Amino acid sequence: DAGVTQSPTHLIKTRGQHVTLRCSPISGHKSVSWYQQVLGQGPQFIFQYYEKEERGRGNFPDRFSARQFPNYSSELNVNALLLGDSALYLCASSLTGEAEAFFGQGTRLTVV
Amino acid sequence: AQKITQTQPGMFVQEKEAVTLDCTYDTSDPSYGLFWYKQPSSGEMIFLIYQGSYDQQNATEGRYSLNFQKARKSANLVISASQLGDSAMYFCAMRVLSGNTPLVFGKGTRLSVIA
Repeated sequence: DAGVTQSPTHLIKTRGQHVTLRCSPISGHKSVSWYQQVLGQGPQFIFQYYEKEERGRGNFPDRFSARQFPNYSSELNVNALLLGDSALYLCASSLTGEAEAFFGQGTRLTVV
Repeated sequence: AQKITQTQPGMFVQEKEAVTLDCTYDTSDPSYGLFWYKQPSSGEMIFLIYQGSYDQQNATEGRYSLNFQKARKSANLVISASQLGDSAMYFCAMRVLSGNTPLVFGKGTRLSVIA
């Protein structure tokens, strides 16, 4: 069975641009969460979606948005990119919002 | 609010020896779960082991065991018979189990296994 897949794996963007990151959860998993991991830190929660509804939002500016599609895949959008948005963006899926989460390999975003 | 503290930025262990990675947590909620993840240089977070707050027994998964001391609010990971492939970042995390709450992570411990 395929695990959590994220695309792209690496991305370089210029300040002010926007970016869309994609995540496909494990088959049967209905909950998708997004985390940002800057160098030297643990992951920080951005969003959680369950059954296509937003169930939680971390302390991130409105430049960050996300959505979940009917097939439970998800997109994370970041507008007006800043240098500080450079990070590894991780997607995690779980059967429910309370079960253990399984992570993808992440998207490494570099903003120059 | 939940908080995870990992006080060891880096640890070294000899191959085939056991190593303990420390984790303390803070929450006022009585129902929570504790997780350990391994993150190799590739970036993927690999789930290792889970302990529920009401579980009576310490969790074990192969060479991994979780030393859960509820009164001390600690959830240390013990890796037995270390292998070179165990070299990675290790993160302790927790989640309150009431409602769809996110994982809260510590800052991690970098484990280096020496031949």
